[in-house]
Amino acid sequence: RKEVEQDPGPFNVPEGATVAFNCTYSNSASQSFFWYRQDCRKEPKLLMSVYSSGNEDGRFTAQLNRASQYISLLIRDSKLSDSATYLCVKGGATNKLIFGTGTLLAVQP
Amino acid sequence: NAGVTQTPKFRVLKTGQSMTLLCAQDMNHEYMYWYRQDPGMGLRLIHYSVGEGTTAKGEVPDGYNVSRLKKQNFLLGLESAAPSQTSVYFCASRFDRVDNSPLHFGNGTRLTVT
Repeated sequence: RKEVEQDPGPFNVPEGATVAFNCTYSNSASQSFFWYRQDCRKEPKLLMSVYSSGNEDGRFTAQLNRASQYISLLIRDSKLSDSATYLCVKGGATNKLIFGTGTLLAVQP
Repeated sequence: NAGVTQTPKFRVLKTGQSMTLLCAQDMNHEYMYWYRQDPGMGLRLIHYSVGEGTTAKGEVPDGYNVSRLKKQNFLLGLESAAPSQTSVYFCASRFDRVDNSPLHFGNGTRLTVT
């Protein structure tokens, strides 16, 4: 089983919709989680860190559920510019960050 | 502020040829990483460095070598390229190993080995 698993999608949603992605993980020793965004043929960029209490940044909300070992990303009022691949990332006590394979979001006009 | 810069952006090699990918960062970051990204596989760690003069193996190190002679530079070498090394390569750096220290990526090198 992969340490970080994501539904590859694609998630096709209309503009203005609310969409949520989940990411499951194993090895619960990890203390830190992140969501990165990757546009087509570009490098990944940090979208937001995920805190135990949940955190919000504008239209984006991240949640961590340690009991069920998953993190989630909720995007409200989707924009065309939100179309991208969203990467779930697990950190920890080592130098290594483990990346999921990503979830593709396509926001339709 | 350039951040993380990778060169070259594109390269085509024949099987058996060698090349070096250069990564340079101007943020005074201690930690640097080389990843490869393949369809359906996600980002996989090749090698990493926790400081000048140090390197360590990641998840998929075979066929690659690295060097960190200066803090700002991290070189990835392919001594004898193989078609299986066709991929997109990303360099990344981070300030330290504190859990919430994010990775900063270069814009990638697209390598094709024929």
